[in-house]
Amino acid sequence: QSALTQPASVSGSPGQSITISCTGTSGDIGNYNYVSWYQQHPGKAPQLMIYNLSKRPSGVPDRFSGSKSGNTASLTISGLRAEDEADYYCGSYSSGSILEVFGTGTKVTVL
Amino acid sequence: QLQMQESGPGLVKPSETLSVTCIVSGGSINIRSHYWGWLRQPPGKGLEWIGSIYYNGDTVHNPSLTSRITMSVDTSKNQFSLRLSSVTAADTAAYHCARHEVTWHYFDNLGQGTLVIVSS
Repeated sequence: QSALTQPASVSGSPGQSITISCTGTSGDIGNYNYVSWYQQHPGKAPQLMIYNLSKRPSGVPDRFSGSKSGNTASLTISGLRAEDEADYYCGSYSSGSILEVFGTGTKVTVL
Repeated sequence: QLQMQESGPGLVKPSETLSVTCIVSGGSINIRSHYWGWLRQPPGKGLEWIGSIYYNGDTVHNPSLTSRITMSVDTSKNQFSLRLSSVTAADTAAYHCARHEVTWHYFDNLGQGTLVIVSS
């Protein structure tokens, strides 16, 4: 089951900026900054891109940034590149019973 | 660089038990700073956290799967395993292992996953 809601698809042209939203509740995103984002190319392993809402692991370009407002977290990709075309999933801590929840996933297309 | 490699049966019959193993290389599983987690991803769908295990055998589970999950860790082989009993077609998925940063609630070093199909 997916507890967080993402748009099914987002697209943009090379060089543009796009934003992917991830909507939860006060039991997860709204009251905690334990938001993470994962990139997954077809047939590949998901890769951590953002953790603790806005921190980037070593090696992740600073074109990727995270933020939140209320119960909605966002991943912004600036200077969109062809290699950014992939599926993106958000994740969050949940104070409910599940502990770790994920989003429905967003397919990013570079036009 | 930590690497995770899953292995599984490929095909399991309904009502039987699914068993997958994750071999960790490039680092020791016998550390106190992280848990080791399992996630699954049905074909064309999103990620679901299954559960995670500590080097000493302590576990945390997704409560929707608790009654069917058994996890174990073998520090001598640097690997950990998941068993899921009484499987149905709904358990068909790619099973990924990962390092689970429980304090900050994120997963890194995810493996590519092993696809397990439940079918008679």
